[in-house]
This record gives sequence, C-alpha cells and structure tokens, in this order.
Amino acid sequence: AQSVSQHNHHVILSEAASLELGCNYSYGGTVNLFWYVQYPGQHLQLLLKYFSGDPLVKGIKGFEAEFIKSKFSFNLRKPSVQWSDTAEYFCAVNSGNTPLVFGKGTRLSVIA
Amino acid sequence: GAVVSQHPSWVICKSGTSVKIECRSLDFQATTMFWYRQFPKQSLMLMATSNEGSKATYEQGVEKDKFLINHASLTLSTLTVTSAHPEDSSFYICSAPNWGTEYQETQYFGPGTRLLVL
Repeated sequence: AQSVSQHNHHVILSEAASLELGCNYSYGGTVNLFWYVQYPGQHLQLLLKYFSGDPLVKGIKGFEAEFIKSKFSFNLRKPSVQWSDTAEYFCAVNSGNTPLVFGKGTRLSVIA
Repeated sequence: GAVVSQHPSWVICKSGTSVKIECRSLDFQATTMFWYRQFPKQSLMLMATSNEGSKATYEQGVEKDKFLINHASLTLSTLTVTSAHPEDSSFYICSAPNWGTEYQETQYFGPGTRLLVL
C-alpha cells in the first residue's frame, strides 16, 4: 500500500525566508506526485504535480518541487515566502488513476 | 481549471437525523468522484469512490449503510450520512478527477462540507 510522510508538522518562517517542506512516499511502482495547499477557510488547491519527465516541477505562486526517485522524495520549495503563503500544505501520491493518498500535512505560518 | 462545488458548506443537525451532501463537477464530467473525511488538524482520509451508474466502493472501516453514496449523473455525486451521531461530526470533502494535457487525471477538490451533529 502507498503511504506518504510529511516530516514537518508546523513550520514558522519570517517573510522572505526560504522554504523547504519534506515529503517522502513509499511505493515501488510508478507514481504521480502532488502538492496541494489549503488556505485558512478555503478548499484544497493544486500547487503542482509530477507525472513524468523533468523531475523539477514548477507550480503556481513561485513554488517548485523536485522528484528524487532514489530517495522516494518530492520536497516542496519556495525561495522567498510571503505572509500570504500561510496555509496547510499536503503532499499526495497515486498510481495511475487510483485515489490519492495524502500525507498528514504541514502547517506553514509566515510572520512579518 | 476544473471547478467542483459542494452543498451545503455548513450543516448542523440533531443526532439521529440524516444529512445529504452534494458534490458537483461544474465544467467537466466525472465518471468517478471521491469522498474524503478530514478531522481537525489531520489529513484527508479516503472514505469511498463514487462510480457513475454503479455501486460505490468503500474503504475498509467505512460503513456503507451509514454513508450512502449515489452517483446518479456524470456531474453529481451525493453522500448521505444516515442517522448521524456526534462522532460523525467532521469535514467532508469530495473530489473529481479531470483529464489534463499530460493524459493523466488530476483531482480537483470541492470546498468541503462541515457537519456538526448535536
């Protein structure tokens, strides 16, 4: 069975700091990888996704993620966070068109 | 991008009543939709896969007689929580996959329905 681990439960950063959120998955086959964001009081929105090809994926709002197959990782990065990035971030994985399996989420708090 | 709506966004009901939650894909058709449940400060847990024109597939531990799912059309799936009890209070979220240019499906999520059972 697939599983997703997000190591950071809560991350607090100052504005303009760089961000990296860890995500590791366990699955031996071909996977699709996703990062979703949930802003306070809002629904899940897709930040970026990886299906195949270039392992460095660029998403919306300046976010990017790198798929490292040998490490079973798909870490999310942003060079300079803003207060508006305060949200809950979820890493998710599936295989083919199976349902998504989510990590437990990482809460990001950006302070001015 | 694809849009998924849910109705209602909030519902408060008495213990023992049934509550119906609708999930609609507004600008695309979805033969499959997924229902998730999210407890406070926890991740989304898949409850069931809703299949248009056939029975839903439930995850282990989810009571199918408790959580009735109907996927009557290509744009609508409903989740009915029957005889709701306080422990059913949660945030229910649906998603629908849509095909992208990568020939893979991406799931788009509804805004969620917060259920409070008194």
